[in-house]
Amino acid sequence: QQQVKQSPQSLIVQKGGISIINCAYENTAFDYFPWYQQFPGKGPALLIAIRPDVSEKKEGRFTISFNKSAKQFSLHIMDSQPGDSATYFCAAYPGADGLTFGKGTHLIIQP
Amino acid sequence: DTGVSQNPRHKITKRGQNVTFRCDPISEHNRLYWYRQTLGQGPEFLTYFQNEAQLEKSRLLSDRFSAERPKGSFSTLEIQRTEQGDSAMYLCASSGQGNTEAFFGQGTRLTVV
Repeated sequence: QQQVKQSPQSLIVQKGGISIINCAYENTAFDYFPWYQQFPGKGPALLIAIRPDVSEKKEGRFTISFNKSAKQFSLHIMDSQPGDSATYFCAAYPGADGLTFGKGTHLIIQP
Repeated sequence: DTGVSQNPRHKITKRGQNVTFRCDPISEHNRLYWYRQTLGQGPEFLTYFQNEAQLEKSRLLSDRFSAERPKGSFSTLEIQRTEQGDSAMYLCASSGQGNTEAFFGQGTRLTVV
């Protein structure tokens, strides 16, 4: 049972464009929603996170949009750069235990 | 280095052997988590500790898996009688008291041959 559904599975964006990755969840007990960036052979690195009482959070070129009623959240990467090419995971935290991760999005930024 | 440290980075073992991985969390982080990540998938939560107490272990994949954190600092994850299906990346993460931000180590890549 997949509790966090992530799409698309892969994404190709031109340099300077906007990369958008979407996630949806079902468990209303989730109260913290982070995004992680992972490069090959490395552990996931925390990128940005949001709580459900906020509809948007921006840090540099990275923005999370959160829609509590639709149980959806998304990551926007503005002015995408080749160095942003990586796998991105959304996750959700139920207040106890560990994070529940989506299946990941393989992002390629073409120069 | 103040990040989460995992050792070894890579482990190749023969089927049926036991393996043990070590995780050193960020200093003063009282929560420590273990995850497994298979190719093309997101990390899968296995177990976690708050200080030395293991608060959740029902998600460990089988009774061949066990974890300890005897003094509330470093932790070990042991897999007994390894199987080829155990081949994966094993990740450790830690977070501070009352803080949901979890920071991951580089992982241990296990290959069972």
